[in-house]
Amino acid sequence: KAGVTQTPRYLIKTRGQQVTLSCSPISGHRSVSWYQQTPGQGLQFLFEYFSETQRNKGNFPGRFSGRQFSNSRSEMNVSTLELGDSALYLCASSLVGGSSYNEQFFGPGTRLTVL
Amino acid sequence: KQEVTQIPAALSVPEGENLVLNCSFTDSAIYNLQWFRQDPGKGLTSLLLIQSSQREQTSGRLNASLDKSSGRSTLYIAASQPGDSATYLCAVTQGGSEKLVFGKGTKLTVNP
Repeated sequence: KAGVTQTPRYLIKTRGQQVTLSCSPISGHRSVSWYQQTPGQGLQFLFEYFSETQRNKGNFPGRFSGRQFSNSRSEMNVSTLELGDSALYLCASSLVGGSSYNEQFFGPGTRLTVL
Repeated sequence: KQEVTQIPAALSVPEGENLVLNCSFTDSAIYNLQWFRQDPGKGLTSLLLIQSSQREQTSGRLNASLDKSSGRSTLYIAASQPGDSATYLCAVTQGGSEKLVFGKGTKLTVNP
């Protein structure tokens, strides 16, 4: 069974540009969450999606947005990139959103560098 | 607001030693607690999930315990090996959400 996949694995952008990251959950998993990991702040929650609906959102500016498609694949978008957006962006999937007894599985991440 | 703390931040041990990693959380109203391992520059690998009604879970050389009332969990690693070197993270969920609140992790180095 394939794990969580994220594309691209690495991205280099310049300030002011925008970027779209993609996450494909484990087959059958309907919940997808996104996290930002930086050395200073650690892992911080961005959003959670279930059945194409955003169920929860972290404390990030409106430049960060996301969506989920009918096949459970998810994308996140960051507009007007800032240097501080450089981070490892991780996606996690779980079998059924909402029960919270479900083990969450993470993808390998997308390393975003903003110059 | 839930806060998760992991102590120590870093730990270096000789191969073969048994060790304990600690995790504490401020709000005992959790749904579950999950331990992860992260190798440098990589994603997170799930190690163990403990539901709020459980006291412990075991997988191979790993044993995780949960004391919800005191807001603590421990990850016990038996007979440590150099391949166990990684950062170990604990995280909790609450309130019917899949949102994980993470600690900052313990960086473990097992020396041959």
